[in-house]
Amino acid sequence: EAQVTQNPRYLITVTGKKLTVTCSQNMNHEYMSWYRQDPGLGLRQIYYSMNVEVTDKGDVPEGYKVSRKEKRNFPLILESPSPNQTSLYFCASSFSPGSPGELFFGEGSRLTVL
Amino acid sequence: DQQVKQNSPSLSVQEGRISILNCDYTNSMFDYFLWYKKYPAEGPTFLISISSIKDKNEDGRFTVFLNKSAKHLSLHIVPSQPGDSAVYFCAASATGANNLFFGTGTRLTVIP
Repeated sequence: EAQVTQNPRYLITVTGKKLTVTCSQNMNHEYMSWYRQDPGLGLRQIYYSMNVEVTDKGDVPEGYKVSRKEKRNFPLILESPSPNQTSLYFCASSFSPGSPGELFFGEGSRLTVL
Repeated sequence: DQQVKQNSPSLSVQEGRISILNCDYTNSMFDYFLWYKKYPAEGPTFLISISSIKDKNEDGRFTVFLNKSAKHLSLHIVPSQPGDSAVYFCAASATGANNLFFGTGTRLTVIP
């Protein structure tokens, strides 16, 4: 089954404790991206990757890091989480390297930073 | 600055009637538009799209209309069904860009 898998689905952590949200897709997509969803703000892009070892900032990259060492995986790293990073996070992937087009989303990871 | 706007946070419609969800955009470079549907505790799923070379695209009960001069698009659902109750996101992109810009979403409730 074609899917984007994120882990963990739910996480409560404390300020400053490094965490990683994993994302894996089994569709051989070149393009992958992370979004956060906040009330009244919709979905905002954090980082994206056009292919292995190619990553770039989206609209709200501050406080986040990513890596793309393998085509299928695109982890999101919060080195020192803060309460304003409490949010619902979505990983997404797409066939099209030139334009994201139709994105396939994971089920989301709800993060709470105390 | 929000480049894609959905000004109605919520909409309630009777089962069998038409649902019309609206979306406005500000960036004239956008040339591809999509609608996503999101159920609680799930990720958004692609519903329907339209290229700027068209003004209408239809897929079963779902039709998207694009008015480029007004920078406005709308999603029509006819007839509406209770299973259509979800949050609908409008999204837009420009050729060569690497991002989809999303609206804030409209929660549709279809009343049986």
